[in-house]
Amino acid sequence: AQTVTQSQPEMSVQEAETVTLSCTYDTSESDYYLFWYKQPPSRQMILVIRQEAYKQQNATENRFSVNFQKAAKSFSLKISDSQLGDAAMYFCAYRYISNFGNEKLTFGTGTRLTIIP
Amino acid sequence: DGGITQSPKYLFRKEGQNVTLSCEQNLNHDAMYWYRQDPGQGLRLIYYSQIVNDFQKGDIAEGYSVSREKKESFPLTVTSAQKNPTAFYLCASSMRGDRTGNTEAFFGQGTRLTVV
Repeated sequence: AQTVTQSQPEMSVQEAETVTLSCTYDTSESDYYLFWYKQPPSRQMILVIRQEAYKQQNATENRFSVNFQKAAKSFSLKISDSQLGDAAMYFCAYRYISNFGNEKLTFGTGTRLTIIP
Repeated sequence: DGGITQSPKYLFRKEGQNVTLSCEQNLNHDAMYWYRQDPGQGLRLIYYSQIVNDFQKGDIAEGYSVSREKKESFPLTVTSAQKNPTAFYLCASSMRGDRTGNTEAFFGQGTRLTVV
C-alpha cells in the first residue's frame, strides 16, 4: 500500500527567509505523480506544485521548488522568500498511474507553516 | 465556470440519522474522491470512483456509502453506523492518470458536518 509521511507537524520561518518541508513516500510503483497542496485558513485546497516521477528535473513554480529523490522516495518542498500569505497547512500527496483504474490519491498528515513577521 | 461544488457548507445531524453530502463537478473528470479531515489531521480517503457505476473503498469507508450514477455527481451518505461523524468533508475530482500532466485533483470548498 502506498503511504505518505510528513514528519514535521509544524514549521516556522522568518518572513523573506527560506524553508523546506519534508515528505517521504512508500510505493512499489515506478510511474506516479507527487503533489504539494496548500490549505489556508479558508480550508480551500490549492495546488502548489506537481512532479512527474518519470521526469528527472525538479519542478519549480516561482518561489516554490521541489527536491525529488526517486531512489530515496523523498519529495521536499522549498519555499523561498517566504511571505505572510504562505502561512497555511501544506500537504504532500501521491498518485500512481494505472492502466486498470484504481488510481488512489493519498495524502500525508500535513505540516502547519507559520510565517514570523 | 468549471468547478466542483459541495453542498451544503454546514450540516447538522441528529444522532441516529443518515445524511447525504452533495458533490457535483462540471470539469468532465472521470475520477472523484471523498476525504475526511479532522482537526489537525491530514486528509483520509473514504471512497473513490474512477468511472460511472464503479467505486472503491478508501482507508476509512466503514459507516459511509456512495453512489456514482452520473459522471458529474458523487454523493456521500454518512450513515448512523459511523460512530464519530463530526468532521470536515472534502470532495475532489481529477482526470484519469496519464502522461499529459493534467492529473492534479480539484477540490470543493468542503462540508462541515456536526452531530448534535
